[in-house]
Amino acid sequence: SQKIEQNSEALNIQEGKTATLTCNYTNYSPAYLQWYRQDPGRGPVFLLLIRENEKEKRKERLKVTFDTTLKQSLFHITASQPADSATYLCAPYPDRDDKIIFGKGTRLHILP
Amino acid sequence: DTEVTQTPKHLVMGMTNKKSLKCEQHMGHRAMYWYKQKAKKPPELMFVYSYEKLSINESVPSRFSPECPNSSLLNLHLHALQPEDSALYLCASGRQAADTQYFGPGTRLTVL
Repeated sequence: SQKIEQNSEALNIQEGKTATLTCNYTNYSPAYLQWYRQDPGRGPVFLLLIRENEKEKRKERLKVTFDTTLKQSLFHITASQPADSATYLCAPYPDRDDKIIFGKGTRLHILP
Repeated sequence: DTEVTQTPKHLVMGMTNKKSLKCEQHMGHRAMYWYKQKAKKPPELMFVYSYEKLSINESVPSRFSPECPNSSLLNLHLHALQPEDSALYLCASGRQAADTQYFGPGTRLTVL
């Protein structure tokens, strides 16, 4: 069956350090993968999309990599700030039913 | 206008009530979605409308009834809900199905 795994339920990172979040998938061949941020009680917010033929994508302090051989995407936040604390969801597309399905997310806490 | 709006923000209803959740976007998006999200879980897809036609129904109980009156509006009609239906209900839209999704703030539903 298709699975999306995101590393650990919660990740604590010291302010100023780089936070690295992992998204592993099995039985998928995604054409692209998206990362979203979600704050408590709010809807997810789109951050970045990376396509299967792209190795890396950047946006300000954010960087996403995509390794289709390892079936893994890494999401990096450099110079992390307490305001980066949130849940980060990965969403590969498509699944076998041509849908976007979200991973369970990683809760990130940036400690001041 | 670059946002998705949802009303109401909070809704408390009894198991015999009939209520509706509303979602609106004016970005010209042709795909609209309903998700259900329980605490500490990822958004769970319920319905997808593409060009105002229901394209995906994720085996949702009939007590949830979606409606897409036009390309800007999406409703979710609720009837005879159960306490376990209490959750955050999220609406999202995208240029097309499986494109990047833009989420509304959600409706927090409590069923007594």
